[in-house]
Amino acid sequence: QKEVEQNSGPLSVPEGAIASLNCTYSDRGSQSFFWYRQYSGKSPELIMFIYSNGDKEDGRFTAQLNKASQYVSLLIRDSQPSDSATYLCAVKSSASKIIFGSGTRLSIRP
Amino acid sequence: GAGVSQTPSNKVTEKGKYVELRCDPISGHTALYWYRQSLGQGPEFLIYFQGTGAADDSGLPNDRFFAVRPEGSVSTLKIQRTERGDSAVYLCASSLRPSGRAVSTDTQYFGPGTRLTVL
Repeated sequence: QKEVEQNSGPLSVPEGAIASLNCTYSDRGSQSFFWYRQYSGKSPELIMFIYSNGDKEDGRFTAQLNKASQYVSLLIRDSQPSDSATYLCAVKSSASKIIFGSGTRLSIRP
Repeated sequence: GAGVSQTPSNKVTEKGKYVELRCDPISGHTALYWYRQSLGQGPEFLIYFQGTGAADDSGLPNDRFFAVRPEGSVSTLKIQRTERGDSAVYLCASSLRPSGRAVSTDTQYFGPGTRLTVL
């Protein structure tokens, strides 16, 4: 089992709709959780982090964390073509290193 | 201020050669991470430094890979006897510190990466 798992996609969402990206992790001792966006040929850039159960909202983005289910998600409201990218889930394990998932490719169709 | 910088941006080498990849973190960031990213994959953890010491090197694939950070700032990833399978983008990231109550201090800022091609 991979430490951090994501559906590779591609996930295709119409412009203006909500995109939902999911991630599961295996280490129950994981402390903090991150979502990064990576455009093709570029480095990852941080969108949000979350460490408490529940929802955290920042503009059009909402991160959701459920530690009991070992599940993290990212919702993108009012999806824009510029949101088309690969979204990487990252988890800080109990060993303090940060492990990335393989990423989900998101495509926003006009 | 300046972000994380990495040099060279591209490196082409022949199988069996030695290469060095350099990372210059954000000033004041004590934690520094090296990752390797292959096409279609997420960044694969290699090693992380807290200050001058390697706090976790469990991701280094074998003893051909070695990294140093002698003064707690710039880091060099060294690969001996390169193999074609080493071809990837090598990413460096830094953060203010790797642990503590403030999760924001775990936030990693990535450099542009070095694309290594082993022929």
